[in-house]
Amino acid sequence: GAGVSQSPSNKVTEKGKDVELRCDPISGHTALYWYRQRLGQGLEFLIYFQGNSAPDKSGLPSDRFSAERTGESVSTLTIQRTQQEDSAVYLCASRQSPGLAGSASTDTQYFGPGTRLTVL
Amino acid sequence: AQTVTQSQPEMSVQEAETVTLSCTYDTSENNYYLFWYKQPPSRQMILVIRQEAYKQQNATENRFSVNFQKAAKSFSLKISDSQLGDTAMYFCAYPGGGGSEKLVFGKGTKLTVNP
Repeated sequence: GAGVSQSPSNKVTEKGKDVELRCDPISGHTALYWYRQRLGQGLEFLIYFQGNSAPDKSGLPSDRFSAERTGESVSTLTIQRTQQEDSAVYLCASRQSPGLAGSASTDTQYFGPGTRLTVL
Repeated sequence: AQTVTQSQPEMSVQEAETVTLSCTYDTSENNYYLFWYKQPPSRQMILVIRQEAYKQQNATENRFSVNFQKAAKSFSLKISDSQLGDTAMYFCAYPGGGGSEKLVFGKGTKLTVNP
């Protein structure tokens, strides 16, 4: 079956412009995650969706960052008034089970190929 | 704070030899999973292997195996018969808990397999 897809693959923008990054999760996966990966670093969690709601937004670095998910499918990450420090690869992942608080995850997160964002 | 430490920023190995990548983590959870992901230059994060913390037996997947020491919170990855295609960044990760099961990642180890 199809994996997680993301678009665009690369995005170059000017400082101060808004950008939208798209993620199409694996069909039927209820959990969706956004991560950011700065050059030479590991992944940093941004936001988690369970269905269309976002119970964990603790990783969003500022109010310039927002995300939404519709139809328990596609998600969009929006960065307003981009800054040079926003330059990074933005990765999306999806997982089948929602997980329960206090219990161990039993399903693996599957990642998309990422969007490389460059802010000039 | 929950953390994952990969103490080897870079490693190299000759083709067909064995290499071990180290990972330590810090969690107060008792039941959890641990993951190793591979990220080649294409950027695609690929699951290499996962370990269930409540299982004493170390996970194996073909040439990949782990040495899981729960008490020491250590989770190393062993790659046997290294191949050129194993050249990549390797990340250790575990769910941060709190219900979202967001993954907490180490900073990665860059592995180069030399011919």
